[in-house]
Amino acid sequence: AAGVIQSPRHLIKEKRETATLKCYPIPRHDTVYWYQQGPGQDPQFLISFYEKMQSDKGSIPDRFSAQQFSDYHSELNMSSLELGDSALYFCASSLRGTGTISGNTIYFGEGSWLTVV
Amino acid sequence: DAKTTQPPSMDCAEGRAANLPCNHSTISGNEYVYWYRQIHSQGPQYIIHGLKNNETNEMASLIITEDRKSSTLILPHATLRDTAVYYCIVRVVASYNTDKLIFGTGTRLQVFP
Repeated sequence: AAGVIQSPRHLIKEKRETATLKCYPIPRHDTVYWYQQGPGQDPQFLISFYEKMQSDKGSIPDRFSAQQFSDYHSELNMSSLELGDSALYFCASSLRGTGTISGNTIYFGEGSWLTVV
Repeated sequence: DAKTTQPPSMDCAEGRAANLPCNHSTISGNEYVYWYRQIHSQGPQYIIHGLKNNETNEMASLIITEDRKSSTLILPHATLRDTAVYYCIVRVVASYNTDKLIFGTGTRLQVFP
């Protein structure tokens, strides 16, 4: 079965540079979530989109922005990178549709490793 | 947000059942309990979820107490590949605009030979 696809898997950037991460949700899924996991930490929710509109926002820095496109893929743009942005970034997707929200399983991709040097 | 409490670590012998407890005493009536695991920096892997009835799938069983204040994830025959951090999560859904999973610190399960 198709899973959540993230690219690139690894990215090295210098401080103050910009990085873009891409996420391709499971086919027919309409909701995308972004998470950040720092070294030795638990995943932290950043932002989510439902039907191409921002749905919820967590601890996402102002330097970061994201959007969901018409084909439902999503991109996380990170500018003015700092050393502390080095982390594993996960994208996840679910089919919210019209069913019971809590019962729609959220599936995660394998993540994108961002290293800022 | 309903919070969960899990033991930080547990050990289990290979082939034995692993029983991972989780307390969620502030859970609301319409909130589901989800279990995920993360194997060393891989993406969190969905295991199982439930509302109030016990659930079973090919990976595990989920036992939820009648008052829904706690649950137990059961891996019936643990293998070395089950070594991972297991997260018990109460899914926060106050509205369509607040649907997300909030990860706590999880339980680090070590399966030994």
